[in-house]
Amino acid sequence: DAKTTQPPSMDCAEGRAANLPCNHSTISGNEYVYWYRQIHSQGPQYIIHGLKNNETNEMASLIITEDRKSSTLILPHATLRDTAVYYCIVRERNNNDMRFGAGTRLTVKP
Amino acid sequence: KAGVTQTPRYLIKTRGQQVTLSCSPISGHRSVSWYQQTPGQGLQFLFEYFSETQRNKGNFPGRFSGRQFSNSRSEMNVSTLELGDSALYLCASSGLGQSFNYGYTFGSGTRLTVV
Repeated sequence: DAKTTQPPSMDCAEGRAANLPCNHSTISGNEYVYWYRQIHSQGPQYIIHGLKNNETNEMASLIITEDRKSSTLILPHATLRDTAVYYCIVRERNNNDMRFGAGTRLTVKP
Repeated sequence: KAGVTQTPRYLIKTRGQQVTLSCSPISGHRSVSWYQQTPGQGLQFLFEYFSETQRNKGNFPGRFSGRQFSNSRSEMNVSTLELGDSALYLCASSGLGQSFNYGYTFGSGTRLTVV
């Protein structure tokens, strides 16, 4: 079973920041938070991951709360091509069994 | 470089038949994982292979099996197909130690329809 909870859907205006929340209240100390997204008819795409510090890359930023029980993925300037299902996953470093939940369907609107 | 290649892209089979799906990972990647995606159950982990050895297995019946060859290419087989096996089957690969830092790279999947 997935160890994360995400809202089923969200909308965002094109050009605005998209903030996607994820709850992982049972996360253990050695588990990392990963984000993937899946655009229709394609395989999931890795976005970003983190342990306890905020992370940023060319695609997104990841904000993890101090107690690590929740996190937020931020797409700073959403485009129509960011419309996808976004998955938040927790996994241990050496555990390659990723448990995907239902994800959040983000719709970016013009 | 070429991505993860899955063949065929689409497949229609009849109940009771068996099917073999193929996955060619990114060159140099030795870890290959398989996932099943259905509207009802979402993405579910099937198994992972590394250097021709199954390293991890999900909660699927024995009808689902896989293998990996010395060139890291992998196949999965489903025997005695059931209607519920209709799904998108996804393959993902990663380099040694890379899945942690760079995540897995997924293929576009094989869409299997059982009639």
